Amino acid sequence: NAGVTQTPKFRILKIGQSMTLQCAQDMNHNYMYWYRQDPGMGLKLIYYSVGAGITDKGEVPNGYNVSRSTTEDFPLRLELAAPSQTSVYFCASSGLGQGSSYEQYFGPGTRLTVT
Amino acid sequence: GENVGLHLPTLSVQEGDNSIINCAYSNSASDYFIWYKQESGKGPQFIIDIRSNMDKRQGQRVTVLLNKTVKHLSLQIAATQPGDSAVYFCAEGASGSRLTFGEGTQLTVNP
Repeated sequence: NAGVTQTPKFRILKIGQSMTLQCAQDMNHNYMYWYRQDPGMGLKLIYYSVGAGITDKGEVPNGYNVSRSTTEDFPLRLELAAPSQTSVYFCASSGLGQGSSYEQYFGPGTRLTVT
Repeated sequence: GENVGLHLPTLSVQEGDNSIINCAYSNSASDYFIWYKQESGKGPQFIIDIRSNMDKRQGQRVTVLLNKTVKHLSLQIAATQPGDSAVYFCAEGASGSRLTFGEGTQLTVNP
């Protein structure tokens, strides 16, 4: 299994540009999450999904959108990039709700800079 | 929301010493706790977990202690090695809810 994969690894955006961060998992997990991590800080939940077709806001959803059309994929969309969105973005998945542990498996992250 | 926080933002130890990283939580309904390790430039990696019906759980060189009375969680690393240098996060969850992460502690192991 590849686990959780994220693309791209790095990206530089200009203010106002849009982009989609891709996330995929091959563990058949129902739950998927998007976090952002600012330098020297912890993880803040942006959006999460409990299954295909179901998404919900986390702590810091403003400026982002998500969709979950399949179990495997959970893309994160930035419509009008702002400097405040400069951060490292992590996608995670878990089998929570299927009798599995609460453990979340993380991808390698996408480092985004908005200038 | 509920807070999960760490007492010490940084911890520096000598190679071979034992390390103790602490975490306080405030949600008394939390029934599941995880410690993650995050190396520079990488995503968090699972280290060990513990459920609220336990006080202690041991892994390879790591032990997690849970004190529900004072809502305190700790991670003990035995014979700390340079490869243990990383940021360590605690996270808590309650009855199927999503995890809440603490701010992290930077562990530095000096040779």
